[in-house]
Amino acid sequence: EAGVTQSPTHLIKTRGQQATLRCSPISGHTSVYWYQQALGLGLQFLLWYDEGEERNRGNFPPRFSGRQFPNYSSELNVNALELEDSALYLCASSQQRGLTEAFFGQGTRLTVV
Amino acid sequence: GENVEQHPSTLSVQEGDSAVIKCTYSDSASNYFPWYKQELGKRPQLIIDIRSNVGEKKDQRIAVTLNKTAKHFSLHITETQPEDSAVYFCAAGLFMDSNYQLIWGAGTKLIIKP
Repeated sequence: EAGVTQSPTHLIKTRGQQATLRCSPISGHTSVYWYQQALGLGLQFLLWYDEGEERNRGNFPPRFSGRQFPNYSSELNVNALELEDSALYLCASSQQRGLTEAFFGQGTRLTVV
Repeated sequence: GENVEQHPSTLSVQEGDSAVIKCTYSDSASNYFPWYKQELGKRPQLIIDIRSNVGEKKDQRIAVTLNKTAKHFSLHITETQPEDSAVYFCAAGLFMDSNYQLIWGAGTKLIIKP
């Protein structure tokens, strides 16, 4: 069974540009979560999608947005990039809404210069 | 809202000794408590979880205990080995406004000294 896959693995952008990160969940998983992990720090919750709808978002500005497609894959878009957006962005999927294991992708390392 | 505090931020133990990482949560409605391990350069992976109807759960060298009254839960690793070196994250799960949410601790860097 294929795991959660993210693309690209690395992304370098300049300040003010837009970044698009992609996530494909495990087959059969309907929930997708996005997290930001700054270097040496913990997991900060960004967004949660389930069945194509945004269910919850973390304490991030509106320039962080995303969507979930009918096949449950997801995109994270970051507009007007700032230097402090440089981080590892992790996507996780789970089989159902709620109390179950979340499987993480390998992450996209975004560097803003 | 829910808040999860994790201690210590860094833990260094001698190989073969035990390691204990503690988390406290604020919302008594939290009912799911997973622990994830993230090795250097790798993705976080679930190592053990516990639900609020259970006080303790073991899986070989790792165990998790939950004290609902005190609102804290702990990860115990016995007979530590070099491969246990990693960052460990705890989380508390609860339903908020009809949505399920995992609230994460800040992580503990565990260093196993040879």
